[in-house]
Amino acid sequence: DVKVTQSSRYLVKRTGEKVFLECVQDMDHENMFWYRQDPGLGLRLIYFSYDVKMKEKGDIPEGYSVSREKKERFSLILESASTNQTSMYLCASSFGAQPQHFGDGTRLSIL
Amino acid sequence: EDKVVQSPLSLVVHEGDTVTLNCSYEVTNFRSLLWYKQEKKAPTFLFMLTSSGIEKKSGRLSSILDKKELFSILNITATQTGDSAVYLCAVVTQGGSEKLVFGKGTKLTVNP
Repeated sequence: DVKVTQSSRYLVKRTGEKVFLECVQDMDHENMFWYRQDPGLGLRLIYFSYDVKMKEKGDIPEGYSVSREKKERFSLILESASTNQTSMYLCASSFGAQPQHFGDGTRLSIL
Repeated sequence: EDKVVQSPLSLVVHEGDTVTLNCSYEVTNFRSLLWYKQEKKAPTFLFMLTSSGIEKKSGRLSSILDKKELFSILNITATQTGDSAVYLCAVVTQGGSEKLVFGKGTKLTVNP
């Protein structure tokens, strides 16, 4: 079974902090994705990566950056956290055109 | 702009009822449509549909795609309380990357 692991289930940070969310997958998938999920808005794509050191902007990249130094790990970075980035963050990975597999999510609160 | 619309947004039924969840889409270069079930944590994959008219079935769940009318339905028969979840529909578009465009989801509540 594919395992996508997100480093924290819950995280509380302060406005202005730099925040790192980590995601690791164990199936050698080349594609990895970061979404945020908000009530009434559904899942929205922040960034994705289809190879090591490659990244592409999704629909809402502003205020975020990503890093993919190794194939199994995809990090989401909030450069200077703001309260409107309080959300559930979901990481996913996939192989080719196969369905994406999701991690359990990180519920991030910015105070 | 690519768009996926699910209806209804929420639904409350009694155990044993049959439900139909709807997903319509307007996207350029359709590739496939996926259904996921999300309880408290990660969305879990249910079905991937690429061809019109071919029903996918898994136990009490089934789904079908109509590429002419641009919609899909997810049926759940003899519902159980464990079916309570948010059901997400997503479309994959062609173009070199495997991005998903999600609908807002249908929240299904099954009461005993």
